[in-house]
Amino acid sequence: EAQVTQNPRYLITVTGKKLTVTCSQNMNHEYMSWYRQDPGLGLRQIYYSMNVEVTDKGDVPEGYKVSRKEKRNFPLILESPSPNQTSLYFCASRKKADHYNSPLHFGNGTRLTVT
Amino acid sequence: EDQVTQSPEALRLQEGESSSLNCSYTVSGLRGLFWYRQDPGKGPEFLFTLYSAGEEKEKERLKATLTKKESFLHITAPKPEDSATYLCAVTRGSTLGRLYFGRGTQLTVWP
Repeated sequence: EAQVTQNPRYLITVTGKKLTVTCSQNMNHEYMSWYRQDPGLGLRQIYYSMNVEVTDKGDVPEGYKVSRKEKRNFPLILESPSPNQTSLYFCASRKKADHYNSPLHFGNGTRLTVT
Repeated sequence: EDQVTQSPEALRLQEGESSSLNCSYTVSGLRGLFWYRQDPGKGPEFLFTLYSAGEEKEKERLKATLTKKESFLHITAPKPEDSATYLCAVTRGSTLGRLYFGRGTQLTVWP
């Protein structure tokens, strides 16, 4: 089944403890992206990747890192999480990076709580 | 600066009561406008892409239209299973990797 898989689905951690949220897609998609969703603010783009080894900032990149060493994986790294990073995170992918009008496929989200 | 604004924030309809959701945008060089549906606890699911003013697309009870400044998602004779949050997003020519979402309209259809 074609899908975007995020892990974990739920994560509770403490301030300052490094964590990684994994994202993997099995559709051979070029483009991948991370979003966070907060009540009243909607979906905001954190980082995106047009292809392997090519990443760029979205609207809210502060406090996050990403890497794209292989086509299928796009992990989101929080080196020193803070409570304001408590949010619902979504990973998404699309087939071709320059086919901007092709639809995004989203994972089912990771709910992160930082205390 | 908000580039995509959706209204209303929430909408309650009785089953069969048709209505429209609005998405207005201020981006220059629009390349595409998207509608997504999001159910609680899940990621957004793609519905439509609109490219140019005057374009219309339909899927079951949903019809999306686009003008130079806004898009409408018309829901005809909705059913309870249409209850969800509907998200609008846009891309622009200068930043093809970026997608700008509105805050969504939470639709509830009651029997």
